[in-house]
Amino acid sequence: DAGITQSPRHKVTETGTPVTLRCHQTENHRYMYWYRQDPGHGLRLIHYSYGVKDTDKGEVSDGYSVSRSKTEDFLLTLESATSSQTSVYFCAIRGTGPTTAGNTIYFGEGSWLTVV
Amino acid sequence: AQSVSQHNHHVILSEAASLELGCNYSYGGTVNLFWYVQYPGQHLQLLLKYFSGDPLVKGIKGFEAEFIKSKFSFNLRKPSVQWSDTAEYFCAVNGNNDMRFGAGTRLTVKP
Repeated sequence: DAGITQSPRHKVTETGTPVTLRCHQTENHRYMYWYRQDPGHGLRLIHYSYGVKDTDKGEVSDGYSVSRSKTEDFLLTLESATSSQTSVYFCAIRGTGPTTAGNTIYFGEGSWLTVV
Repeated sequence: AQSVSQHNHHVILSEAASLELGCNYSYGGTVNLFWYVQYPGQHLQLLLKYFSGDPLVKGIKGFEAEFIKSKFSFNLRKPSVQWSDTAEYFCAVNGNNDMRFGAGTRLTVKP
């Protein structure tokens, strides 16, 4: 158990509304990630963070923003939700311990978002 | 930028058949390589990983993978699959701060 909690787990929202997904970790890991999973595309990296207030864009960052004001929380915001953002969103963390323990990503349970 | 290709989108096997799923990556530096499995309705779970050393790595549930540096490949194998191996399998590469995944291979094992 990597100590990752995502909320909400399921959400239905209307087009044009803002949505924020929260990822909370209890392991004090430095690196945190947001991915979306869609059929035929696997997992695609949206944004990631390598420390408090340190974030960077991934492959599919348009329409998304993130914030990390404290180590344990990494927030993903859809500024104005569109139907193309209907997806399953996974938060992940990566340790920074010894080589075999660090560099391994562990995933949260996922957040199912439907934009109607 | 690093990328990962999984060439098999859907593989259908009978129980006890042998499995090999292909994974190729594109990255110029030192990489760490992973295979994850996702059972229906669940999140991704780590099957095995390669950081360095013996290029043949063994993971959970009888899976193994071989890193062939000259071919930029990290294929997943299992000598004899079971019905419970039905799932989606993802190859991933980590070379910088981020981690990139392949599109996934769906494995269906017929009883």
